[in-house]
Amino acid sequence: DIVMTQSPLSLPVIPGEPASISCRSSQSLMHNNGYNYLDWYVQKPGQSPQLLVYLGSNRASGVPDRFSGSGTDTDFTLKISRVEPEDVGVYYCMQPLQSPYTFGQGTKLEIK
Amino acid sequence: EAQLVQSGGGLVQPGGSLRLSCVASGFTFRSYWMHWVRQAPGEGLVWVSRSNGDGSDTIYADSVKGRFTVSRDNAKDTLYLDMNSLRAEDTAMYYCVPRGRLSIRGGQGSLVTVSS
Repeated sequence: DIVMTQSPLSLPVIPGEPASISCRSSQSLMHNNGYNYLDWYVQKPGQSPQLLVYLGSNRASGVPDRFSGSGTDTDFTLKISRVEPEDVGVYYCMQPLQSPYTFGQGTKLEIK
Repeated sequence: EAQLVQSGGGLVQPGGSLRLSCVASGFTFRSYWMHWVRQAPGEGLVWVSRSNGDGSDTIYADSVKGRFTVSRDNAKDTLYLDMNSLRAEDTAMYYCVPRGRLSIRGGQGSLVTVSS
């Protein structure tokens, strides 16, 4: 199974400041079609998960443009340019390349 | 507004069966992969199963393979998860979660408790 490792696991951020979450995979997530099969989800308090970014860097429609995904192969990053109070939640990376799909442990973003 | 509404779930004895349903509205359901993921209290997300858009390709976590079946009826915009031979370790909140071009919140969750 592909192991997904996120860091940090806890991320206190001052509103208006940037935030960055790292996700590393135990195997390359590059498909032979040239896309990186790495998605980012957020689970806000008391809510169900919601897709933010798919295929490494494609922001899903409806996601604010302060969110961006980058990276390739085994090393990926989710960046929030200016954190807002509504961004509180747990952020997960997930690989949909190889079954079984696997999530990272989650990064809990909180407001300082 | 895009929305997913789940039903099913509940308390079941070990070895029992349940069916979860997830009804979509407000988006083109057939264009979306749909995941089932689960979450034990206080824990992270665990992937369970995935159906592609037309239901022709389904995959499962090893822990549920052979016991759970994912299916979909695109005419009814509905995703299903049939769970058989349930075990105590299947106890969790189950969510249907779409993957596609729109960011759509998953269903509200279905609590499955396996206990005698």
